[in-house]
Amino acid sequence: KAGVTQTPRYLIKTRGQQVTLSCSPISGHRSVSWYQQTPGQGLQFLFEYFSETQRNKGNFPGRFSGRQFSNSRSEMNVSTLELGDSALYLCASSLTSRVTDTQYFGPGTRLTVL
Amino acid sequence: EDQVTQSPEALRLQEGESSSLNCSYTVSGLRGLFWYRQDPGKGPEFLFTLYSAGEEKEKERLKATLTKKESFLHITAPKPEDSATYLCAVQGNGGSQGNLIFGKGTKLSVKP
Repeated sequence: KAGVTQTPRYLIKTRGQQVTLSCSPISGHRSVSWYQQTPGQGLQFLFEYFSETQRNKGNFPGRFSGRQFSNSRSEMNVSTLELGDSALYLCASSLTSRVTDTQYFGPGTRLTVL
Repeated sequence: EDQVTQSPEALRLQEGESSSLNCSYTVSGLRGLFWYRQDPGKGPEFLFTLYSAGEEKEKERLKATLTKKESFLHITAPKPEDSATYLCAVQGNGGSQGNLIFGKGTKLSVKP
């Protein structure tokens, strides 16, 4: 069974631009969560989607947004990029939205903001 | 507020030298504790899920245990390929679905 896939794997953008990252969950998984990973803060939760609905959101500004499609694929968007947005963005999928479900992570998208 | 603290931050072992990694947590009603392994430049790889105190799980040279306040990841006779950052995460009653609270990780280096 194929794992979680994320595209692109690497991105370089400049301040003020916007970016869209894509995530395809494991086949059959309906929940997708997004995390930001930085050396200083570690992994921090961005938001979670289930059945095309955002169920929960972490403590990030409104510049960070996302959506989920009917096939469970998800995208996240960051507008007006700042230098501090440079990070590894990880997507994780789980079978359902139960809190005890295991989340399986993709390889991540490395975003560099210049 | 849910919180996870991992220690030590870094651990260097000789091949074959067994040791343990610690994950201390404060959570309002633990629903699950998760261990992941992360190699540089890659996403976390799932290792174990523990749900209740006293539970233990094993996989090859790794064994995870859980008490009411902490979890240990025991590594028996490690090999160089076990070198990675090991992450601990919790899901509590007060946490939202999908929102795992992660520790900062323990970076393990195993020298041949």
